[in-house]
Formats: sequence, C-alpha cells, structure tokens
Amino acid sequence: DIQMTQSPSSLSASVGDRVTISCRASQSVSVYLNWYQQKPGKAPKLLIYAASTLQSEVPSRFSGSGSGTDFTLTIRSLQPEDFATYYCQQSYNTPYIFGQGTKLEIK
Amino acid sequence: QLQLQESGPGLVKPSETLSLTCTVSGGSISRHSHFWGWIRQPPGKGLEWIGHIYFTGSTYYSPSLKDRLTIAVDTSKDQFSLRLTSVTAADTAVYYCARLLGVSGNYFPFDYWGQGTLATVSS
Repeated sequence: DIQMTQSPSSLSASVGDRVTISCRASQSVSVYLNWYQQKPGKAPKLLIYAASTLQSEVPSRFSGSGSGTDFTLTIRSLQPEDFATYYCQQSYNTPYIFGQGTKLEIK
Repeated sequence: QLQLQESGPGLVKPSETLSLTCTVSGGSISRHSHFWGWIRQPPGKGLEWIGHIYFTGSTYYSPSLKDRLTIAVDTSKDQFSLRLTSVTAADTAVYYCARLLGVSGNYFPFDYWGQGTLATVSS
C-alpha cells in the first residue's frame, strides 16, 4: 500500500498569512493527488484534484503543486473560514489512502 | 445539484452486521465514468477509504476490510449500500458515502459527499 504522510500535523497562523501544507507519498503517485478541507462535524470538501486542478467554486487563494512523491497545498492570504483540518489523498491505485491530516488553527 | 444521503441504524451490537444505504438524488447513479464510494472516520481520527463500486457492479475494497465487506448497487433506486459483518468497537465511526468524479485522466477525487452517519458498535 502507498502511505501518505502530511506535515505538519498542526499549524497555527493568522488571518492574512500564507501557509503551506506538505504531503509525501511512500512511492510515486504521479499527479493522482487530491486535497480536502474538513470542518468540525462536517463532511470533507474537495479543494484540489490531480495535484493542481482547483475544484469548481473553490477560492483561488488555494493552490496545489507537486508530482511523484512530494506535494504542497498553499493557502494565500488566510481567511477566517479557512481554519479547518486538511487531508491529502492518493487516487493512483487502491487502497486510496488519506494522509493523517493537518489541523490549521488560529494564532 | 447532486445530493447523497446515508441511512441505517446508529447502534450495532458486537459481532453483528452493519448495514448502510446511500441514496443519490439530483442525478443518476448509472451515469458513466463515476464511481460511488464509502469512507469512514473514527471519532477524533482521520479518514479511511472503505471501498467503491461502479454502476455495473464492479467493486474495489480496502484490503483490511475485504473479508467482512460487501458493497452493492441498486440502479433502479439510485442507491448503493455497505454491509460490514462481525463488527467490533474498532468499526465505530462516522460513515460517509461519496461520489468519485470520473474526469479525464481517471483521477477520481471524491467530489460529492453525504453528511455522514455515526455508527456505534456497542452492546
């Protein structure tokens, strides 16, 4: 199975900051990498798929990059509604493993 | 607007079977290219992919669950279901159903999700 490791596990930031979250795969997943945002008590929301394609209606301050084993989610100019937990997930092959999550908190 | 809704008992006894149904509305489950899947999240923990199914009945299961798991589809009702046998406390989780978007390149992200249903395994 392909393992997905996110870093950091938690992150404190302020409104207006630029933040980056990393995701590393234990073997190449090409660009079959997706990012989700989850708020407490809610279902995850798809932000980015195919490593860098922004899902419809997701604000352009979110961006994704990377290929192979190393990926990054960047949030430019944090907004209050962005404080949540973020997950990466590979869809290169089954089992479709998720990263352990990165909790983004207000500083 | 596509919507997914999970349904099923919230409490299951140890060693018994957990059965959940996902009803799809606002679109057809038989639409080509998309798969339909289940994901779970134990309280306070991360997301775990369980498996997914195509409208033809082709299935993909988590290796850690495959001996206890059945996912089925009923295209006449636009529903798909999960059946997990011999449950233990470790199966206590919020269970989500979701659509895997079939886009060019076969990337298959989960783009539409149900609200989730908590299934608790306890006597």
